[in-house]
Amino acid sequence: EVQLVESGGGLVQPGRSMKLSCAASGFTFSNYGMAWVRQAPTKGLEWVATISYDGSSTYYRDSVKGRFTISRDNAKSTLYLQMNSLRSEDTATYYCTRASTGHYFDYWGQGVMVTVSS
Amino acid sequence: DIVMTQTPSSQAVSAGEKVTMSCKSSQSLLYSENKKNYLAWYQQKPGQSPKLLISWASTRESGVPDRFIGSGSGTDFTLTISSVQAEDLAVYYCEQYYDTPPTFGGGTKLELK
Repeated sequence: EVQLVESGGGLVQPGRSMKLSCAASGFTFSNYGMAWVRQAPTKGLEWVATISYDGSSTYYRDSVKGRFTISRDNAKSTLYLQMNSLRSEDTATYYCTRASTGHYFDYWGQGVMVTVSS
Repeated sequence: DIVMTQTPSSQAVSAGEKVTMSCKSSQSLLYSENKKNYLAWYQQKPGQSPKLLISWASTRESGVPDRFIGSGSGTDFTLTISSVQAEDLAVYYCEQYYDTPPTFGGGTKLELK
């Protein structure tokens, strides 16, 4: 059974940093691209970033470019999202997802809440 | 970026009813080389993570009931629930993955009448 378990969320002040982790199990992690998708409170879904199966390629939405870094450790089957210079508009539930062929997302974690507030 | 527009934003339904919801993209999602539409549908129940229902516009995921039917091509897509059940009350999102960034529609919320 595919499982994606996020951790690392919480309350953080504007301008500070936070790192999210996602522990994957139930599939061969190193064979799949992975992504982060977020959802602001009561809002819709918004893609944040994607990383290729081997970590050689990364893609970001414009609003997080230069502030967020997606990375992975295939030996640990873990996905990361380093978030710097956080803004109030980054407040959201962040979902770890497995990226199937192309950029659709076939498995989702339970999500982790990030609140950016002073 | 490709803009995805879903209508209606909410819909009140009764159990057993047939439901259709629309998703329109600002440009074609049909890739000419493989004749595939790069469109997915997700279901998000209250307090839960989204769940993939349909990919490639019409391919149901394993375990998804056959009352969920995806159709359409190019820029116009439809998700049909042939006979709504109580457990189908949720928000439904479409997503295009034809181009980066992948983008989602605003969602259609199914509510009880």
